[in-house]
Amino acid sequence: QVQLQESGPGLVKPSETLSLTCTVSGGSISSYYWSWIRQPPGKGLEWIGYIYYSGSTNYNPSLKSRVTISVDTSKNQFSLKLNSVTAADTAVYYCAGNLLSSSSLDYWGQGSLVTVSS
Amino acid sequence: EIVLTQSPGTLSLSPGERATLSCRASQSVSSSSLAWYQQKPGQAPRLLIYGASSRGTGIPDRFSGSGSGTDFTLTISRLEPEDFAVYYCQQHGGSPQFTFGPGTKVDIK
Repeated sequence: QVQLQESGPGLVKPSETLSLTCTVSGGSISSYYWSWIRQPPGKGLEWIGYIYYSGSTNYNPSLKSRVTISVDTSKNQFSLKLNSVTAADTAVYYCAGNLLSSSSLDYWGQGSLVTVSS
Repeated sequence: EIVLTQSPGTLSLSPGERATLSCRASQSVSSSSLAWYQQKPGQAPRLLIYGASSRGTGIPDRFSGSGSGTDFTLTISRLEPEDFAVYYCQQHGGSPQFTFGPGTKVDIK
């Protein structure tokens, strides 16, 4: 059973860069697409982007100019960087995975709350 | 961009009742690309239905999905106490690759 765990700072200052890492266990990182999704407090879900183990990425156009997703296959981890953050980026950030043949997000991490505040 | 609309926004029902949740897409989507998730407070979403009508691993058979084209439905045949939650539909494909509906909250009447 694939398990995902997010890690990273819970507080980021405005204009700085939000950085999170997701550690994958129980499955091969090469068998899935790996996504980041966020959810502002009390609101809905927004897909940020995904990466394949080869390094190919696909980002949400609404965030593309500020987002970088990378993968480290040796550590079974993938990471999110979101730069120039504002209070509007305050959210619970989830990592998730879907099989190459799947159109649904089959596995989710528990989520990591990131607050943007000075 | 394909926009998903869910209705109603909130559904107030009693345990044992049937729940019918709607998801409408702004343009036709492939049934294989439509999924439903359940989210409880403080928890990550959980995959319920994929491919519009296939249940995810371990999902009870009181949950069923149907629909095609632009109209999709999630039905909970008899609500159990643990089913009171927020439900999201999601489609895959296009740009952005994944989009979600705004959610339907099923709460206790």
